[in-house]
Amino acid sequence: DAEITQSPRHKITETGRQVTLACHQTWNHNNMFWYRQDLGHGLRLIHYSYGVQDTNKGEVSDGYSVSRSNTEDLPLTLESAASSQTSVYFCASSPGLDPDTQYFGPGTRLTVL
Amino acid sequence: AQSVSQHNHHVILSEAASLELGCNYSYGGTVNLFWYVQYPGQHLQLLLKYFSGDPLVKGIKGFEAEFIKSKFSFNLRKPSVQWSDTAEYFCAVNANTGGFKTIFGAGTRLFVKA
Repeated sequence: DAEITQSPRHKITETGRQVTLACHQTWNHNNMFWYRQDLGHGLRLIHYSYGVQDTNKGEVSDGYSVSRSNTEDLPLTLESAASSQTSVYFCASSPGLDPDTQYFGPGTRLTVL
Repeated sequence: AQSVSQHNHHVILSEAASLELGCNYSYGGTVNLFWYVQYPGQHLQLLLKYFSGDPLVKGIKGFEAEFIKSKFSFNLRKPSVQWSDTAEYFCAVNANTGGFKTIFGAGTRLFVKA
């Protein structure tokens, strides 16, 4: 069955370290998204991609970067982790239809000490 | 800019009570509307969606939502909740302008007492 996976599921890191969160989907979807989920804020879009070599900034992109070298993967990198980036991160993909339903991964809980 | 407002952050109900979760959005054009649900320990999944036609949309597990264009609302309802409905519910909007970005509300945490 097609799916979307994230790794690691839990990560503890220190301020200033570079961290990369992986997202892999086997739906063959063109669109991929990264969100962070914080209490009281719901899901906020960090970055998104509509296809290979395409990346776009979302509403809370500062301190994060992504790259899309193939259809299946959209890794999220925190260049220099900050305590404010402690959150739960969700990756999602969608086929690019109208209306466009998103399919979510299980999430990665990141703690920055 | 688009925004989505969910009126209740926490709701506590007893089993068999009726549920209505409010959702309002701000966008003047054509929109696609969604409700997603996140059960404890699970990832978000689609509950129902509206994009055209009958403004009363039926979803999984007995949920329904009504799109009222004049009120910019898309409220979620269920006549009789069960303990297994305990979850966090997110309203989401996608503006039908050719892009696929979806804006999510802050979520409503529902706790159903057995």
